[in-house]
Amino acid sequence: DTGVSQNPRHKITKRGQNVTFRCDPISEHNRLYWYRQTLGQGPEFLTYFQNEAQLEKSRLLSDRFSAERPKGSFSTLEIQRTEQGDSAMYLCASSCPTPSGRSSTDTQYFGPGTRLTVL
Amino acid sequence: GENVEQHPSTLSVQEGDSAVIKCTYSDSASNYFPWYKQELGKRPQLIIDIRSNVGEKKDQRIAVTLNKTAKHFSLHITETQPEDSAVYFCAASMADTGRRALTFGSGTRLQVQP
Repeated sequence: DTGVSQNPRHKITKRGQNVTFRCDPISEHNRLYWYRQTLGQGPEFLTYFQNEAQLEKSRLLSDRFSAERPKGSFSTLEIQRTEQGDSAMYLCASSCPTPSGRSSTDTQYFGPGTRLTVL
Repeated sequence: GENVEQHPSTLSVQEGDSAVIKCTYSDSASNYFPWYKQELGKRPQLIIDIRSNVGEKKDQRIAVTLNKTAKHFSLHITETQPEDSAVYFCAASMADTGRRALTFGSGTRLQVQP
């Protein structure tokens, strides 16, 4: 499978525990994004990497959230001291700018997500 | 920041009819507008996108139109089929500048009745 992959697919944890999710982007995609999606809503942006550099962070990303992409390939998203409000689907997407004339499209391809349930 | 509004929230059509979903955006600097289809329990999948230098784009039964002046864009699906039933999300970003994050609308649940 050459698409974006995420692990685990499901995670159930107790309030206060730490959890870590992994995203493997499409090979050679240098941009990687994390989004959060709650039931009935569109995905909300959390953070974005270009290679190993974290270039953009949403104000939704509280101090309990941290993301890394140490070698510019896979990324991890850690949530510390989970709260019930953290229950959501965590989606990862990757892109590779494709020059088209004078500008690029930078299409984002999504992974299957990790569904987090905090009890 | 950018805000994207999407209407309607639900849409039911008969098989073979057309479906139209509309979105408005607030930031005139946005220049890239993709549409994603998400089936229950699955990942969002890109179905079509348009850049701000183009007014309309078509791919078989799917078309997207963009009105930069009014800051709105629409998805048109013709000859709908039951397999078109899903949730559709519009989004906006500034693909060539710093803000590459997509801002999504709240989604439209399309149901195609056979």
